[in-house]
Amino acid sequence: DTEVTQTPKHLVMGMTNKKSLKCEQHMGHRAMYWYKQKAKKPPELMFVYSYEKLSINESVPSRFSPECPNSSLLNLHLHALQPEDSALYLCASSQDRLEETQYFGPGTRLLVL
Amino acid sequence: AQKITQTQPGMFVQEKEAVTLDCTYDTSDPSYGLFWYKQPSSGEMIFLIYQGSYDQQNATEGRYSLNFQKARKSANLVISASQLGDSAMYFCAMRGSMGRSGSRLTFGEGTQLTVNP
Repeated sequence: DTEVTQTPKHLVMGMTNKKSLKCEQHMGHRAMYWYKQKAKKPPELMFVYSYEKLSINESVPSRFSPECPNSSLLNLHLHALQPEDSALYLCASSQDRLEETQYFGPGTRLLVL
Repeated sequence: AQKITQTQPGMFVQEKEAVTLDCTYDTSDPSYGLFWYKQPSSGEMIFLIYQGSYDQQNATEGRYSLNFQKARKSANLVISASQLGDSAMYFCAMRGSMGRSGSRLTFGEGTQLTVNP
């Protein structure tokens, strides 16, 4: 079963709020990813976790804070976001960090007011 | 550096006909993987098909096949017998094998496919 789940599906938040996005996979994958996608554009990589350690941070602003509590879970903590951070946030996982197919979740549509 | 080019922003096809979505790539990695994903308006990125650079045969998955021409650096997706549910954005992506390029997917800009009844 190639399923990655994400909650919530939709999120509206103000610029002073703190919220979290959650991602879960039960495929035994050891690499997990966060992407940001603006409308009609390809996904942009934000973070990569490999064996529960942060291995790639694509110079993402500190108002986005990733966390990998265990091998199945990936969180993205949001604080003091800007309206331009409104986007679809996609989580993905793969067997390993290198040369493996990434399987994506359904995404969280975030609107920052 | 890796680059994926999808030259068709939009494509239209009649239901039950075949359609080819173009993808060309550029990389200096000795080995690499090529992927196609489908993204309906709901947002989920659905993995369709994978082709390894050393695979001798073109990949096929049901109605999807990948026309891999290594010398031309192209990896076109062929969808046979189009269905209304195939209407979506399609992304071609590549993963290298070395260092930075081996740790991430490089996506093209996508092709919006519309299947007409």
